[in-house]
Amino acid sequence: ETGVTQSPTHLIKTRGQQVTLRCSSQSGHNTVSWYQQALGQGPQFIFQYYREEENGRGNFPPRFSGLQFPNYSSELNVNALELDDSALYLCASSTGLAGEGEQYFGPGTRLTVT
Amino acid sequence: AQSVTQLDSQVPVFEEAPVELRCNYSSSVSVYLFWYVQYPNQGLQLLLKYLSGSTLVKGINGFEAEFNKSQTSFHLRKPSVHISDTAEYFCAVSDRGGNQFYFGTGTSLTVIP
Repeated sequence: ETGVTQSPTHLIKTRGQQVTLRCSSQSGHNTVSWYQQALGQGPQFIFQYYREEENGRGNFPPRFSGLQFPNYSSELNVNALELDDSALYLCASSTGLAGEGEQYFGPGTRLTVT
Repeated sequence: AQSVTQLDSQVPVFEEAPVELRCNYSSSVSVYLFWYVQYPNQGLQLLLKYLSGSTLVKGINGFEAEFNKSQTSFHLRKPSVHISDTAEYFCAVSDRGGNQFYFGTGTSLTVIP
């Protein structure tokens, strides 16, 4: 059984650009959640996708969007990047909703916006 | 919206001493509670969780936590720490619908030889 993987590991973008981050969940996990972790802070819940539909969203604007695919992969898209979007982005997969059981986290993608 | 407060950002403790990492949450509704650990250069992993039942929850590596509804707390304890317990510990809470999840700011535990 493979773990949760994320790509790319690091990314540098310019303010105003758009970015797509990718995640591959563990096989059999029907939920993926995305988090933003600023330096020295705890992860902040962006949203979760359950069976390919958004099911729960944190306090993030609509320019943060996502997709979940049947093959256990998912994407986080961020439009109109701002400097404050610089952070570690984590995805986590689980067999149920994020708040009901164990989430398995990937290593993260470090995004730097200049 | 809920919030999670981890009262200590850094906790140094000598090896084989007991430790308690404090966590309080703000909620007027029933919640699920979690502790996650992040070892150096590793991803987050679940330490333990409280969903229902006994308020004393046992997790991996000898850790346990007690849910106290009246004090809205979920403190993490270990009677004797090891060097390998040095890590960042995060308390987290979700609503019982399971579609919102909140982490605290973390407590850095350093075990001193």
